[in-house]
Amino acid sequence: DAGVTQSPTHLIKTRGQQVTLRCSPKSGHDTVSWYQQALGQGPQFIFQYYEEEERQRGNFPDRFSGHQFPNYSSELNVNALLLGDSALYLCASSLRGVTGNTIYFGEGSWLTVV
Amino acid sequence: DAKTTQPPSMDCAEGRAANLPCNHSTISGNEYVYWYRQIHSQGPQYIIHGLKNNETNEMASLIITEDRKSSTLILPHATLRDTAVYYCIVRPSGGGADGLTFGKGTHLIIQP
Repeated sequence: DAGVTQSPTHLIKTRGQQVTLRCSPKSGHDTVSWYQQALGQGPQFIFQYYEEEERQRGNFPDRFSGHQFPNYSSELNVNALLLGDSALYLCASSLRGVTGNTIYFGEGSWLTVV
Repeated sequence: DAKTTQPPSMDCAEGRAANLPCNHSTISGNEYVYWYRQIHSQGPQYIIHGLKNNETNEMASLIITEDRKSSTLILPHATLRDTAVYYCIVRPSGGGADGLTFGKGTHLIIQP
């Protein structure tokens, strides 16, 4: 049973560019969330997708957008990259509607903006 | 803001039990306590969660006080591979749209 998988593992972008990160949820999960983790900090919630719609959003600007596909996989897009966007981006999945459900995380995508 | 308070760091000798405390004095009746850990440069790893009763799995035990205002994660026989940042998180039980709020966690260092 594959867990949460993310790609790419590492990437380097230039300020002003755009980036797309990808996530496949754990088998049987239908909800995907994205988190940003800056060096030395805990993960910060960006947004969550369920049934191909954004359901909840953290305190992140509109430059951060996402998408969920019918197979439950998801993409995170960041436009107009800033140096401060350099971070580990984590994807997490869960099964919605299950009381006390467990959220599982992927290994993340390291983004460096230069 | 995080709803939990944890010590920033702890040491434990290899082979001994590591007891990590967490205060969540404002926890609501429908909120679970979740524990994750994060080894350097990896994604957070789920450890255990509970609502009211104590819980145990192959990784750890979770002891929740009767008033639910605090809990303790116990790693019964700590190894060097248990060195990590441990996060205690409270989360509603509805299983719906709720992003996890991470605090700073406890950096547990297992000493040989």
